[in-house]
Amino acid sequence: QTVVTQEPSLTVSPGGTVTLTCASSTGSVTSRNYPNWFQQKPGQAPRALIYSTNNKHSWTPARFSGSLLGGRAALTLSGVQPEDEAEYYCLLYYSGGQLVFGGGTKVTVL
Amino acid sequence: QVQLQESGPGVVKPSGTLSLTCVVSGGSISSDDWWNWVRQAPGKGLEWIGEINHSGRANYNPSLKSRVTISVDKSKNQFSLKLNSVTAADTAVYLCAKYGFRSGRNEYYYYMDVWGKGTTVIVSS
Repeated sequence: QTVVTQEPSLTVSPGGTVTLTCASSTGSVTSRNYPNWFQQKPGQAPRALIYSTNNKHSWTPARFSGSLLGGRAALTLSGVQPEDEAEYYCLLYYSGGQLVFGGGTKVTVL
Repeated sequence: QVQLQESGPGVVKPSGTLSLTCVVSGGSISSDDWWNWVRQAPGKGLEWIGEINHSGRANYNPSLKSRVTISVDKSKNQFSLKLNSVTAADTAVYLCAKYGFRSGRNEYYYYMDVWGKGTTVIVSS
């Protein structure tokens, strides 16, 4: 069973920068895993932020960016706003049509 | 703009079958997209259950595969989830989502961009 691992929690100051990562138990994450990133606030459905590593949806704020970093997928929040406090999930694709979510990272803005 | 809406019983008895439907509006289920089910147990993370395309080809989470069936009804523009032999561990918010793709110059883009609001299912006698 493939496991995708994220940092359980991160804290960032308003206006600061934080990077979340997403690692795969099968080895390095590559562009062929088509990493997606989502933001979820309490009581709401997830909202898509980034797809296929570093592509933004039309509604994604410019301060969010995606990349591959040291064999992991990464989501960077620059110029963090108080409203960015939320849970963030990555999603990886594996050949054979399998999708696996990471365990989520709780970002606190303090 | 595609929208998704889940529906189904809010309570299911242990050992019973959980049945949910997701209606697709603003678009066609016969597109090239894949139609997904995801769940989230109370206080836990997202768990991918499985997906189906318009031709009925399905992929499932290996940990749930023995209990899950996802089907598509093109005439009603909807897809459905059945999970049998449920236990309290299946209590969760169940969400449907669209997983689409497009091709660019020498590469593909995959995105899960549209989600339903979710429906809560409690397994209890």
